[in-house]
Amino acid sequence: NAGVTQTPKFQVLKTGQSMTLQCAQDMNHNSMYWYRQDPGMGLRLIYYSASEGTTDKGEVPNGYNVSRLNKREFSLRLESAAPSQTSVYFCASGRNTFSYEQYFGPGTRLTVT
Amino acid sequence: KQEVTQIPAALSVPEGENLVLNCSFTDSAIYNLQWFRQDPGKGLTSLLLIQSSQREQTSGRLNASLDKSSGRSTLYIAASQPGDSATYLCAVDNQGAQKLVFGQGTRLTINP
Repeated sequence: NAGVTQTPKFQVLKTGQSMTLQCAQDMNHNSMYWYRQDPGMGLRLIYYSASEGTTDKGEVPNGYNVSRLNKREFSLRLESAAPSQTSVYFCASGRNTFSYEQYFGPGTRLTVT
Repeated sequence: KQEVTQIPAALSVPEGENLVLNCSFTDSAIYNLQWFRQDPGKGLTSLLLIQSSQREQTSGRLNASLDKSSGRSTLYIAASQPGDSATYLCAVDNQGAQKLVFGQGTRLTINP
């Protein structure tokens, strides 16, 4: 049982380049989330998906797009990376019924130069 | 807009002490509150979740309390150990959709 996995672990991009961060969970959870963590800012929600086929914006969605490919996978895409998107990105999943705990992946450290 | 604050930002104590970490939130209409632990360079690990109808939750040496009316939660760590050194974050869900709002965390160091 791997839990929540994220790829890649590290990435360096130049301004204007695009990339997709991948996330997968094997816990059969309905909900999945993307957060970013910046020094002194805590974690902030970018996008979330309450169930397969649905996505919705969080607190800081600008500059990002997401795809809930199936129940297991939830990807985050940066179409044109900017230095302000340098951050650590975390994916999480949760049942959203009975037990509301969220389970986090190990994170992707992204640097945009 | 919900705001979550954790004070202090950093705390250093000798091994064996009991300690309390604080979390406050501005909107008391929450569904639940969750405490997480984050080790350097790692993801978050859920420690305790308190539903809005509950007053406290316990797991081993950890006890979390919730006072919705005052907008406060505390995480009590008994008999602290060097392995407890980490950053502790609290997060609240006040929309029922698990769209968590996080505090900035308290970086805890336990000195042997």
